[in-house]
Amino acid sequence: GESVGLHLPTLSVQEGDNSIINCAYSNSASDYFIWYKQESGKGPQFIIDIRSNMDKRQGQRVTVLLNKTVKHLSLQIAATQPGDSAVYFCAETGSNFGNEKLTFGTGTRLTIIP
Amino acid sequence: KAGVTQTPRYLIKTRGQQVTLSCSPISGHRSVSWYQQTPGQGLQFLFEYFSETQRNKGNFPGRFSGRQFSNSRSEMNVSTLELGDSALYLCASSLGRLSTDTQYFGPGTRLTVL
Repeated sequence: GESVGLHLPTLSVQEGDNSIINCAYSNSASDYFIWYKQESGKGPQFIIDIRSNMDKRQGQRVTVLLNKTVKHLSLQIAATQPGDSAVYFCAETGSNFGNEKLTFGTGTRLTIIP
Repeated sequence: KAGVTQTPRYLIKTRGQQVTLSCSPISGHRSVSWYQQTPGQGLQFLFEYFSETQRNKGNFPGRFSGRQFSNSRSEMNVSTLELGDSALYLCASSLGRLSTDTQYFGPGTRLTVL
């Protein structure tokens, strides 16, 4: 993900619909990817993660897809609820010698329309 | 199990002053990382501590420093504050230093420099 500050992309979804949030990353050496959710006034909250040897992982109402060929990550949220409104960040890390810093994407603001 | 805690939650300082922020990691977590979040630059890595040693450092000036104590609690210090240091400072803890050790974030300290 790009770590520079840019205009925050926004996504508005009707309550009950599915949402897909996308993220592009640049480091082909990254081997671990995480999605975080950040609500106003709070720190980022872990949602789901995926390792580079996988292309899909499912959690409760969330699915992460990883396409290493095009360096693309997506987060799918099923049956969105008002509480899903937040900024979503993808983050990547990975090195050969330990826990590297997390590199965050710019984030996407998801708004759920009642 | 209690989450990551940060104190204080809000802080107002003036230019030229210094500030110390505190972070208590999740019990059993030994790695603590610090991030700065601003609207313009997004989430940026400051530094990481493990076993009381700084293991990794981001691209910030020497005015930003930190330390970790034997109980894994960490502090970060910013000296000679500048207006641009106004930000949300986030602390994250993880079990260890593996790239797959998920980082869990605290609520952050909102620093305002006048």
